[in-house]
Amino acid sequence: EPEVTQTPSHQVTQMGQEVILRCVPISNHLYFYWYRQILGQKVEFLVSFYNNEISEKSEIFDDQFSVERPDGSNFTLKIRSTKLEDSAMYFCASSAPGTGPYEQYFGPGTRLTVT
Amino acid sequence: AQSVSQHNHHVILSEAASLELGCNYSYGGTVNLFWYVQYPGQHLQLLLKYFSGDPLVKGIKGFEAEFIKSKFSFNLRKPSVQWSDTAEYFCAVRGQGGKLIFGQGTELSVKP
Repeated sequence: EPEVTQTPSHQVTQMGQEVILRCVPISNHLYFYWYRQILGQKVEFLVSFYNNEISEKSEIFDDQFSVERPDGSNFTLKIRSTKLEDSAMYFCASSAPGTGPYEQYFGPGTRLTVT
Repeated sequence: AQSVSQHNHHVILSEAASLELGCNYSYGGTVNLFWYVQYPGQHLQLLLKYFSGDPLVKGIKGFEAEFIKSKFSFNLRKPSVQWSDTAEYFCAVRGQGGKLIFGQGTELSVKP
């Protein structure tokens, strides 16, 4: 069964450093998402991406964040200058278009620890 | 604003007990509702979804949920839980643009 993959599984970085989180969505999917979950809190939507552009972003997704689909398979989330409060689990998801609601398939997540 | 609330933060049950996890949402439009499960160390997996039709939805692993529009609820149920159901359960509603809006999650611990 196809699945969403994410690398790395755990990233430790120092405050102020740039990080890139990588995701490989399911191959025939066209909609891509990033979510994050700070320890003990809700899973929160960050951004959605379709047709090579951002379709929606949350208030969390400020100028420090960017997303890219550099080739036909990867989908990346970049945080330019990490802050302590960026420490969280980051989930990538993808979905295929259809006539009903889109079922989002999630990756296993990347645990980002900012020290 | 769209939101989802799950009433139970942590539920502890013995095997064979019945389960009901509460979920309420606030969203004025057509609702698409989901329950996801996250087993320890694993990714979020879809248990079941509702978008129209029969308000009683059956999902994988013996789970079901009932959409009650008048109560803005989508509670998850299972008649008899197993130790392997130990996990965190998330209710979600599909918001504008396709994003999912999650509740805070309910941790279920099933004692053997």
